[in-house]
Amino acid sequence: GPKVLQIPSHQIIDMGQMVTLNCDPVSNHLYFYWYKQILGQQMEFLVNFYNGKVMEKSKLFKDQFSVERPDGSYFTLKIQPTALEDSAVYFCASSRTGISAETLYFGSGTRLTVL
Amino acid sequence: TQTVSQSDAHVTVFEGDSVELRCNYSYGGSIYLSWYIQHHGHGLQFLLKYYSGNPVVQGVNGFEAEFSKSDSSFHLRKASVHWSDSAVYFCAVSENYNQGKLIFGQGTKLSIKP
Repeated sequence: GPKVLQIPSHQIIDMGQMVTLNCDPVSNHLYFYWYKQILGQQMEFLVNFYNGKVMEKSKLFKDQFSVERPDGSYFTLKIQPTALEDSAVYFCASSRTGISAETLYFGSGTRLTVL
Repeated sequence: TQTVSQSDAHVTVFEGDSVELRCNYSYGGSIYLSWYIQHHGHGLQFLLKYYSGNPVVQGVNGFEAEFSKSDSSFHLRKASVHWSDSAVYFCAVSENYNQGKLIFGQGTKLSIKP
């Protein structure tokens, strides 16, 4: 089936550094999402993105977070600067349309460890 | 505030047994309910979804789920599990106007004994 690829699978960085998480969504999908899962907790919505714009973001999407998809390349989540509480697994997802009935396709996640 | 609760963190059954994974939600509006499966080291994969109509929905690999408005539940079932069904299962709710914003339960880890 359709696959969403996330690069890298693991990332370890020092607190205060910048990190960019990369997502290669399904090729004909237009809506993109980031979710965050802290170890042992529920996966939580961060942001959705369409046509170059953030459509909605949760309270977890701090000012230090940003997303973009320049020229149809990777859909990225950038955290600058990182904090210890940003340690989590970040899942990217994409969907063909934005209607609620549409199925989301998820990547395998990037495990971010902030030291 | 909408919530999704999966009361069992871990369920263990023997191969060939039936299984039911429980999901209860709290939301008063019009919603979609879905189940996703996550095999170790992989992303979430869609299993099935309910919005309206027949309260029993069929998914992939023999899974089905039944919606109950009176119980606010959307339990997942399989009549005969296979070892490859070992994974973590997530129940999720989305509002009918809210694009891609899924509210997930805590997940239930299903372990299959040979």
